[in-house]
Amino acid sequence: DQQVKQNSPSLSVQEGRISILNCDYTNSMFDYFLWYKKYPAEGPTFLISISSIKDKNEDGRFTVFLNKSAKHLSLHIVPSQPGDSAVYFCASTEGSNYKLTFGKGTLLTVNP
Amino acid sequence: DTAVSQTPKYLVTQMGNDKSIKCEQNLGHDTMYWYKQDSKKFLKIMFSYNNKELIINETVPNRFSPKSPDKAHLNLHINSLELGDSAVYFCASSRGARSYNEQFFGPGTRLTVL
Repeated sequence: DQQVKQNSPSLSVQEGRISILNCDYTNSMFDYFLWYKKYPAEGPTFLISISSIKDKNEDGRFTVFLNKSAKHLSLHIVPSQPGDSAVYFCASTEGSNYKLTFGKGTLLTVNP
Repeated sequence: DTAVSQTPKYLVTQMGNDKSIKCEQNLGHDTMYWYKQDSKKFLKIMFSYNNKELIINETVPNRFSPKSPDKAHLNLHINSLELGDSAVYFCASSRGARSYNEQFFGPGTRLTVL
């Protein structure tokens, strides 16, 4: 029962271009969404989040878009840099809950 | 000056053995978690403690027993290890128990059961 789906296991982009990572969710009770980034042999680190009362949140080169009707969110990285190469996990939750539900992650490779 | 540390980093053991993984955080957080990342790559919550009280206990075999001696430590003991327990186990901590709070993860412990 995958409540959070990241259907692209991997994505490769050129340095300087835009990276778009996608995430779909099925639980209509989810109202808070987060992206975590993970380098090999390290734990995930928090990147950016968005509440369901917004449709966009921006932090520097990173922007998350939320389409509630489609139960879809995306993470845009502009411009992409080689140091962005990592696995990106989408996570969702009900704000009143204690539990995060993660997707399987998307491996982003940014080529110099 | 590691924020969330786990020991050991790697653990290779035989089926049927009992093993423990330790986790410590120096962030002053009141909530700690154990996650399992299996071969399918999903990060799944196993347990969560808030101020040493268990608040999340997912459908995990009772061979897994978490112990929180204080707010800065959360250990995971696994009895009678099975092949299917092979995975990477991540400890995490946060300020506050609500799921929207940023969680800080340790580097993971790769457990291999032979």
